Parts: sequence; structure tokens; C-alpha cells
Amino acid sequence: NAGVTQTPKFRVLKTGQSMTLLCAQDMNHEYMYWYRQDPGMGLRLIHYSVGEGTTAKGEVPDGYNVSRLKKQNFLLGLESAAPSQTSVYFCASSPGDRGRKLDTEAFFGQGTRLTVV
Amino acid sequence: AQRVTQPEKLLSVFKGAPVELKCNYSYSGSPELFWYVQYSRQRLQLLLRHISRESIKGFTADLNKGETSFHLKKPFAQEEDSAMYYCALRPSSNTGKLIFGQGTTLQVKP
Repeated sequence: NAGVTQTPKFRVLKTGQSMTLLCAQDMNHEYMYWYRQDPGMGLRLIHYSVGEGTTAKGEVPDGYNVSRLKKQNFLLGLESAAPSQTSVYFCASSPGDRGRKLDTEAFFGQGTRLTVV
Repeated sequence: AQRVTQPEKLLSVFKGAPVELKCNYSYSGSPELFWYVQYSRQRLQLLLRHISRESIKGFTADLNKGETSFHLKKPFAQEEDSAMYYCALRPSSNTGKLIFGQGTTLQVKP
């Protein structure tokens, strides 16, 4: 059982380049999230999705776009990378609404270390 | 404003010493609080949540609504406890999204 898998693990981009980070989960989770981790700032939510075909903005959405075309995948796109987007990106998923009980434990990917030069 | 504050960036203790990682939150409703841990070269994982009221790996955390705190405690630290610890809050909504603190690195020296 792979859990949450992120691709790629490392990437170096030049300013202005674009790229897509892929997150895949095999736990049939409804909810998925993209966070960025920066020193001294913890994890901040970029975008999230509460189901296939839905997305919503988090705390720091500017400069990013997302898509959830399939339940198991959540893509994070950078259209024009900037040095300020140098960070470690984490994808997470959680089961979501399971009847009357909201199962909120989040399962995280291993992270993607992105450097924009 | 919804906020989680972990005042210590680094906490360094000797093996066998008690540990307390501080977490304070700001939220007007009834939050759900968590502690997540990230060991070296491993992914972030759930350590414990306040609604479970359980002890995991010897760690406990009690939600104090009066002081808006959710401090993580362990009576005797072990070297394998060295890691980054994040306190997180889930607002009373149905999205499951988490608000994280800045994180505290726990270093347990032999």
C-alpha cells in the first residue's frame, strides 16, 4: 500500500519556467491538500479539494493552480515559477466525510523539494 | 483569527529528561487539535489528537480550552524522539484542512 506518492522528489527550475507536481493516493480518500513548508513558518495550505472535480483556495494560493480530474490524483501547477516559490511541497489526503463521522487524519506524501533560481 | 503558535523553534534536552513542547491556539469555536511528527528523512505523520485522549510513544497532550493550549508532554525523553513536531488545528468545518504551527525541533542528546 503506497499511501500518498508525490512526483518528482526534487526539481530545480529557472525563473519563469512552469511545472506540475503530481500527487497520487491509493486510499480512496475524498479530501486532498497541497501545503508548502518553509523554515520558521510551518506548513501553509496552498489549495485543497473535497472531492473529484472540486478545488478551493487555501492560505497562500497565489502563483499556483490545481486540478482534481480523478479522485486519486491532485495536481499542483506553477505557471511561471518565482524564487519565492522555492520550498518543500507536501501533498496530503484524508478520508473525509464518512457518514456522520468526519475522519480527519491526514496522510502525507514524502515531499517535493523545489528550488527556483 | 485562526492561528497556532509554537513558541520554541528548538528544544534540546538530555535523554531521560522530561519534555514539554508548547502549543497555543487562537480560535473562537471548538477546534480539533493534533500533533504531527516528522522524523529525519520520513514523511509527516499523525502522533496524536486530542479527541482520542490516548498516549502514543509515551507522549500525551491535554487540551486546555481556558488557556487555549495543547502542550505535548513526555516524562522521559528518548533519543529516538528527536524530530520536528507540529501542532495543528482543524477548524470546525467540513473540509479537513489543517492550520499548522511553525514547528519545534526536539533534539534529545545522549
